[in-house]
Amino acid sequence: QSALTQPASVSGSPGQSITISCTGTSSDVGGYNSVSWYQHYPGKAPKLMLYDVSKWPSGVSNRFSGSKFGNTASLTISGLQAEDEADYYCCSYAGSSTWVFGGGTKLTV
Amino acid sequence: QVQLVESGGGVVQPGRSLRLSCAASGFTFSKYAMHWVRQAPGKGLEWVTIVSYDGTNKYYADSVKGRFTISRDNSKNTLYLEMYTLTTDDTAVYHCVRDMSGGDGFDIWGQGTMVTVSS
Repeated sequence: QSALTQPASVSGSPGQSITISCTGTSSDVGGYNSVSWYQHYPGKAPKLMLYDVSKWPSGVSNRFSGSKFGNTASLTISGLQAEDEADYYCCSYAGSSTWVFGGGTKLTV
Repeated sequence: QVQLVESGGGVVQPGRSLRLSCAASGFTFSKYAMHWVRQAPGKGLEWVTIVSYDGTNKYYADSVKGRFTISRDNSKNTLYLEMYTLTTDDTAVYHCVRDMSGGDGFDIWGQGTMVTVSS
């Protein structure tokens, strides 16, 4: 149950697009279409942004999109806004009713 | 309003035990699997454990297996986490989390309760 690998930080200017990668193995990311992404403001409850790799929960902006190729999933945020500045975590189902998170990425806008 | 509210955190000595509770409201608690997810200070999120909607199936992260026990009381809309033989590595904010229906994700999170293991 090793953590998924995410870049520690990414940055972008308002209006730009950024992509956060999430690399695992064939036992987690590569083995299932069960990757989810969370936005987390420190001190607040994390918020589900995408599930099943690329699906939006109700109320989440379509500026957030997800994809997966092999053992790497990606979160893309287009039209960056100041309010997008937060920590982002990926999570994957890892088999046998267990899940594994990424180490988190701090987005600076 | 769908809500999860954790309680029971605090400061505990290494080797001791602690029980966390999570009160659910605004949804039919008995229809959802539930998780605990924790975040140590300055660290990322870590999945801890899941219990099925009816309490019969339970799974744990290797880091807590044999020391933590998840349970639920559907008559009280409450989720529990009993933690035994605590170590300093267990120091974290513990979040109660709902497993979403119809997809793989954690769709409702509590604010969390802080557990500090220190002598």
